[in-house]
Amino acid sequence: ETGVTQTPRHLVMGMTNKKSLKCEQHLGHNAMYWYKQSAKKPLELMFVYNFKEQTENNSVPSRFSPECPNSSHLFLHLHTLQPEDSALYLCASSQEGTLSAGSYEQYFGPGTRLTVT
Amino acid sequence: RKEVEQDPGPFNVPEGATVAFNCTYSNSASQSFFWYRQDCRKEPKLLMSVYSSGNEDGRFTAQLNRASQYISLLIRDSKLSDSATYLCVVNMGVFGNEKLTFGTGTRLTIIP
Repeated sequence: ETGVTQTPRHLVMGMTNKKSLKCEQHLGHNAMYWYKQSAKKPLELMFVYNFKEQTENNSVPSRFSPECPNSSHLFLHLHTLQPEDSALYLCASSQEGTLSAGSYEQYFGPGTRLTVT
Repeated sequence: RKEVEQDPGPFNVPEGATVAFNCTYSNSASQSFFWYRQDCRKEPKLLMSVYSSGNEDGRFTAQLNRASQYISLLIRDSKLSDSATYLCVVNMGVFGNEKLTFGTGTRLTIIP
């Protein structure tokens, strides 16, 4: 088991709903990430929070809104999603500034499988 | 050109055989490289880092060729439990602000 948990594990929502995905890391890391994984596509980085500040937003539509209240928790707020947003949403954490670049590792949570109807 | 490119497979390999995957990357300034493993309906997990001189971990050997910008993974004496998708991952960020870019993955099935 990894030290990164995500809830819910499965979510079905309509296009007019508002929901939130939650991620929590118990590893003492200082960076957290949201990724989207769609079938036959590589993992797409959505958001990066480093020391609780958003350092990257990869042109993600505004219907996805991240929130990082502290270094252990990360949320992804969803509203007015589209069917093409159906995917596996993975949260990850890491310790930025690792002295040896080769030992850098991101730890992933189990993901939330989202279906938009 | 894709930032990280892999043959998606599937590779269907008999148990005990040796299998190799290659991966190419576009950013010549990339500093660190990894292979992650993802089991069906599970999250990705780090399999091994890839060092310039090549490195080995049991049955797994990873190599890096900077001149040609490719990374390889060799699995010897394959086991049924090796069946998974293998993700080639390149760190295209900088120290303290790492950014991992993932390939689509190569799907491997070991056949009894």
